[in-house]
Amino acid sequence: GENVGLHLPTLSVQEGDNSIINCAYSNSASDYFIWYKQESGKGPQFIIDIRSNMDKRQGQRVTVLLNKTVKHLSLQIAATQPGDSAVYFCAEIPINNAGNMLTFGGGTRLMVKP
Amino acid sequence: DAGVIQSPRHEVTEMGQEVTLRCKPISGHDYLFWYRQTMMRGLELLIYFNNNVPIDDSGMPEDRFSAKMPNASFSTLKIQPSEPRDSAVYFCASSLVAGNTEAFFGQGTRLTVV
Repeated sequence: GENVGLHLPTLSVQEGDNSIINCAYSNSASDYFIWYKQESGKGPQFIIDIRSNMDKRQGQRVTVLLNKTVKHLSLQIAATQPGDSAVYFCAEIPINNAGNMLTFGGGTRLMVKP
Repeated sequence: DAGVIQSPRHEVTEMGQEVTLRCKPISGHDYLFWYRQTMMRGLELLIYFNNNVPIDDSGMPEDRFSAKMPNASFSTLKIQPSEPRDSAVYFCASSLVAGNTEAFFGQGTRLTVV
């Protein structure tokens, strides 16, 4: 897929370090949040999700933190690997949204240096 | 299941020509979405279907764009006539039910209108 390229914020990390990618959302009525990873030439791929009644959720090497007070979402990747290089999008679904309509953020490009 | 399947992967066409993009959602998924991704605007929802019925097409940019879902396993997005500013990657995604579930994306169709 064509990642949003030149205008994307970029995070560059050393292999093995931890990465933190941040996202600010605007809709205080959002009930459900998802992080997607998009590698070059591919569609977005689900990583992890979190509901608004939680403030933290952990997966394999990834953790999502939700701060509803300041409407902030973060994705933490432990021991970042070259395969983690991609564009990461946060997406939200407002409460009572029967249409499953994801609203995507602008994306952050993660570059992992070997 | 092979996931969401889109065709073609790449399409180059001349301005004024009709373009048809195709999508096969994941079997059993009731929701189908068409997104467009560009450098300037990121991922935009164009239209979505529930049980083959278009629910919200407010994201469709102009009357030149139309989408159909004749059955549960097939959808098309048509642009007629195409213009250079339509150049983008078009993604189809599907999801299981209403409410808080992630959408699964296809590989996308990269459209170039010259």
